[in-house]
Amino acid sequence: DAKTTQPTSMDCAEGRAANLPCNHSTISGNEYVYWYRQIHSQGPQYIIHGLKNNETNEMASLIITEDRKSSTLILPHATLRDTAVYYCIVRVAGSARQLTFGSGTQLTVLP
Amino acid sequence: DAGVIQSPRHEVTEMGQEVTLRCKPISGHNSLFWYRQTMMRGLELLIYFNNNVPIDDSGMPEDRFSAKMPNASFSTLKIQPSEPRDSAVYFCASSFGGLATNEKLFFGSGTQLSVL
Repeated sequence: DAKTTQPTSMDCAEGRAANLPCNHSTISGNEYVYWYRQIHSQGPQYIIHGLKNNETNEMASLIITEDRKSSTLILPHATLRDTAVYYCIVRVAGSARQLTFGSGTQLTVLP
Repeated sequence: DAGVIQSPRHEVTEMGQEVTLRCKPISGHNSLFWYRQTMMRGLELLIYFNNNVPIDDSGMPEDRFSAKMPNASFSTLKIQPSEPRDSAVYFCASSFGGLATNEKLFFGSGTQLSVL
């Protein structure tokens, strides 16, 4: 699976959009981009995933560049409860290898 | 739905003792995963079951670790004998699907294990 690079930490003001970048320059054509987050003392939580088209759900939007070498997770109106570690993961569709979590981005939403 | 249920929530034991962690996946899910999380190594996949059958146990640290899934609604992770370096948070996750899908994983709240 392709390796991902994320900033170690980011801050965001409450009520503003949080834009979390992820670089996956070695991604291959059949690899999906997944985002999970982990709030302190809880298990990871699925957010969203996509292949090449932009995706949106009730939690967030995922923007994947045309060359698929990077993506951005957007939390449109961040709240204090969005403070968490956000993991960007790339996984080959149909692979027997399961999700591998890197070190992620610590997002802190400030009041 | 109650989600993935893990027990105990916290476990403190002495080196050399046997430890058993338990997991009840979400009803209807046919894939189950055990992960371990430490500050040093982050989240590591230990073992993956599909339809109660172990598919990939390459992440199991050594023979002291064993996992079973006797039925679709229950799994255990056993450490015997336990060592201080096994101290970590152990997560169980489940999903609906198999190897060819892009299933979402649902995680439990974890078991905080401390081996003294």
